[in-house]
Amino acid sequence: EPEVTQTPSHQVTQMGQEVILRCVPISNHLYFYWYRQILGQKVEFLVSFYNNEISEKSEIFDDQFSVERPDGSNFTLKIRSTKLEDSAMYFCASSELGQGNQPQHFGDGTRLSIL
Amino acid sequence: AQSVSQHNHHVILSEAASLELGCNYSYGGTVNLFWYVQYPGQHLQLLLKYFSGDPLVKGIKGFEAEFIKSKFSFNLRKPSVQWSDTAEYFCAARKNAGNMLTFGGGTRLMVKP
Repeated sequence: EPEVTQTPSHQVTQMGQEVILRCVPISNHLYFYWYRQILGQKVEFLVSFYNNEISEKSEIFDDQFSVERPDGSNFTLKIRSTKLEDSAMYFCASSELGQGNQPQHFGDGTRLSIL
Repeated sequence: AQSVSQHNHHVILSEAASLELGCNYSYGGTVNLFWYVQYPGQHLQLLLKYFSGDPLVKGIKGFEAEFIKSKFSFNLRKPSVQWSDTAEYFCAARKNAGNMLTFGGGTRLMVKP
């Protein structure tokens, strides 16, 4: 069964540095998503992306964050000037279509630790 | 604002016991509901989904869930759990016209052999 893959599995970064989290969505999927889960808290939606632009974003997704599909396979989340509170598990997901009943398929996540 | 709540944070059962995990949502309008499972060290996997029709939906691995609109609930059930069902279970909801999945806080299930 095709999978969403994320790299790296664990990223440790100094506060103030930039990080890029990478994802390869399932190949025939058109919609891409990022979620995060701070330790002990709920999984929270960050952003959705379709047709090379953001289709929806949450309040969390401020100017510190950006997403990009730099080529035909990768989907990246960039966090500029990281803060301690950015430490979390970041999940990438994709879906074939964008309707509400379409299931989103998740990657294993990247654990981001900010020191 | 939309929200999803799961009442039980931790559940411990013996093998062959019956399981019911509660999930309530608060939404206006048409909503699509999902249960995901995360086995230790693995990614979130879809167990089942509801978007219309028969309110009793069957998923993989013998799980089912019932959508009760009047109670804003979508509880997950399994008649007889196995040790391999040990995992964290997440209820999630999504508006028909939106992209965002809203998750509940998750329920950690431990099944004792």
